[in-house]
Amino acid sequence: DAKTTQPNSMESNEEEPVHLPCNHSTISGTDYIHWYRQLPSQGPEYVIHGLTSNVNNRMASLAIAEDRKSSTLILHRATLRDAAVYYCILRDGAAGTASKLTFGTGTRLQVTL
Amino acid sequence: DTGVSQDPRHKITKRGQNVTFRCDPISEHNRLYWYRQTLGQGPEFLTYFQNEAQLEKSRLLSDRFSAERPKGSFSTLEIQRTEQGDSAMYLCASSLGYFRLSGETQYFGPGTRLLVL
Repeated sequence: DAKTTQPNSMESNEEEPVHLPCNHSTISGTDYIHWYRQLPSQGPEYVIHGLTSNVNNRMASLAIAEDRKSSTLILHRATLRDAAVYYCILRDGAAGTASKLTFGTGTRLQVTL
Repeated sequence: DTGVSQDPRHKITKRGQNVTFRCDPISEHNRLYWYRQTLGQGPEFLTYFQNEAQLEKSRLLSDRFSAERPKGSFSTLEIQRTEQGDSAMYLCASSLGYFRLSGETQYFGPGTRLLVL
């Protein structure tokens, strides 16, 4: 699986936007970019995914670089409940319909008042 | 249905004992995954079922580990002769498998935290 690189930790003030970067310079043309997050003492939860175009949903936005070698997860207004570890994961669309998630160490986001 | 459930949430055992964990997936989900997570690390894939068939096993799944999913519903993960290195969070996830190029969303349970003394 192609590798992703994320900062170990980031901090944000509440109600401010947060941009969480992910580098994936070895991404292949069939790799989808997925983001999951893990709140304290919980299992991971899906946030968003995309292939080439920017994506928006109720939780976040995903901005994908034109060369696809990096992406940014955007939380538009961070709240204390967004404090979690955020994982950027590549999933190979050519690998078939079922594929395990390969997690890295993620970015621990701290949100302060 | 409120999501994936796991039982127990916590387990403390002595080295050498056997333990069994249970996972109840979201009812209509045909795929079930087990992951293991140690402190400070992301979850690592262990094994995966489609209905009752175990289709993939990680090299992390030593012969002391066995997983089953009878009748394609709940799943159990058993660890025999536990070792201190087995101490971790064991996570279960389920998904509704159908052809989706981007990969289906996996829904995780809260995990079972195992401590081997």
